Amino acid sequence: EVQLLESGGDLVQPGGSLRLSCAASGFTFSTSAMSWVRQAPRKGLEWVSTISGSGGSSYYADSVKGRFTISRDNSKNTLYLQMNSLRAEDTAVYYCAQLTSHWGQGTLVTVSS
Amino acid sequence: DIQMTQSPSSLSASVGDRVTITCRASQGISNNLAWFQQKPGKAPKSLIYGASSLHSGVPSNFSGSGSGTDFTLTLISLQPEDFATYYCQQYNNYPFTFGQGTKLEIK
Repeated sequence: EVQLLESGGDLVQPGGSLRLSCAASGFTFSTSAMSWVRQAPRKGLEWVSTISGSGGSSYYADSVKGRFTISRDNSKNTLYLQMNSLRAEDTAVYYCAQLTSHWGQGTLVTVSS
Repeated sequence: DIQMTQSPSSLSASVGDRVTITCRASQGISNNLAWFQQKPGKAPKSLIYGASSLHSGVPSNFSGSGSGTDFTLTLISLQPEDFATYYCQQYNNYPFTFGQGTKLEIK
């Protein structure tokens, strides 16, 4: 059974940093492109970032480019999202996803003073 | 960026009804289109990829079609558990983009 388990969400002040993790199991993680998708309160889904299976290629939404960094550790079957210079508009539930198939349950990031 | 426009934004229907949701891309995306279902307070669930291929475990009550710029998601006979919000998403070009969602409510 495929499982994606996010962690690391928290309340953080504007300008602060946070690192999200996503532990994967039940599939061949190292060959799977992985993504982060977020959903602000009462809003729709927004794609944030995708990384290739090897980690050699990564892509970002303009709204987070230069502030967020996606990475992975294939030896640990874990996906990461390093979020710096956080803004109020980054407040959302962040989902880890193998996009056209499996999604995690999400982790809440709140940016507020 | 490719814009994805879903219609309608909301829809009321009854159990047993046939429902169609449309998704239009601002430029051609071949068949690189996925559909997701989301219930309140829950993570999205993958329904369809490649515009028409059902994800494992998704009932045949769901059907997807289209290619290029125009796509449809059809629920052949609505079941009580189908009332949710549905999103389309293109993965042909970065940045990947979602439609704004279609909320399907019970009439």
